[in-house]
Amino acid sequence: EVRLVQSGGGLVQPGGSLRLSCAASGFTFSNFALHWVRQAPGQGLEHISVISGNGHSTFYANSVKGRFVISRDNPHNTLYLQMGGLTFEDAAVYYCAREMLRGASFDSWGRGTLVTVSS
Amino acid sequence: SYDLTQPPAVSVSPGQTVTISCSGDNLAEKFVSWYQQRPGQSPVLVMFEDSTRPSGIPERFSGSNSGNTATLTISGTQAMDEADYFCQVWDDTSAFFAGGTKLTVL
Repeated sequence: EVRLVQSGGGLVQPGGSLRLSCAASGFTFSNFALHWVRQAPGQGLEHISVISGNGHSTFYANSVKGRFVISRDNPHNTLYLQMGGLTFEDAAVYYCAREMLRGASFDSWGRGTLVTVSS
Repeated sequence: SYDLTQPPAVSVSPGQTVTISCSGDNLAEKFVSWYQQRPGQSPVLVMFEDSTRPSGIPERFSGSNSGNTATLTISGTQAMDEADYFCQVWDDTSAFFAGGTKLTVL
């Protein structure tokens, strides 16, 4: 069974930093690109970052470029999102998601972790 | 950037058929995926490559994509289908989601 178990998140002040983790199991981790998708309260889904299976390629949405860093530890089957320079607009539930090999859709999602930005 | 538009809400009676639309410029040139999100839960993939159901998704879910509009159809809608539905496409290296449609089963 594919599992993506998220941790991290919480309350942070504007300008602060936070690291999210996503521990995977049930599949060959290095074979899959992984993504971070966020959802502000009551809002839709926003794709913010992706990292290739070998970790050599990354992409960031303009909204987080230069402030967030995606990374992965393949030997330990874990995905990370290091977030810095947080603003009120970054407050959201953050999901890690696996990109399926065929179809390039997100076929497995973590349960999400809430990031609250407040002074 | 790529803009996708969905109706904010649709409603259906149990057992009836409902369609949820997703519009975008020349959308048929892209593969569309659909996700179901029940309140307080993570999204679940219910359709990919326009009309392919992932394993475990009931046959009452079907999809199509033509011209500027993709459609998710739920036949014989059940109460458990009440959820938000989001369509999604890829443009270059980024995924774009529409704003979502809240499906109410009355």
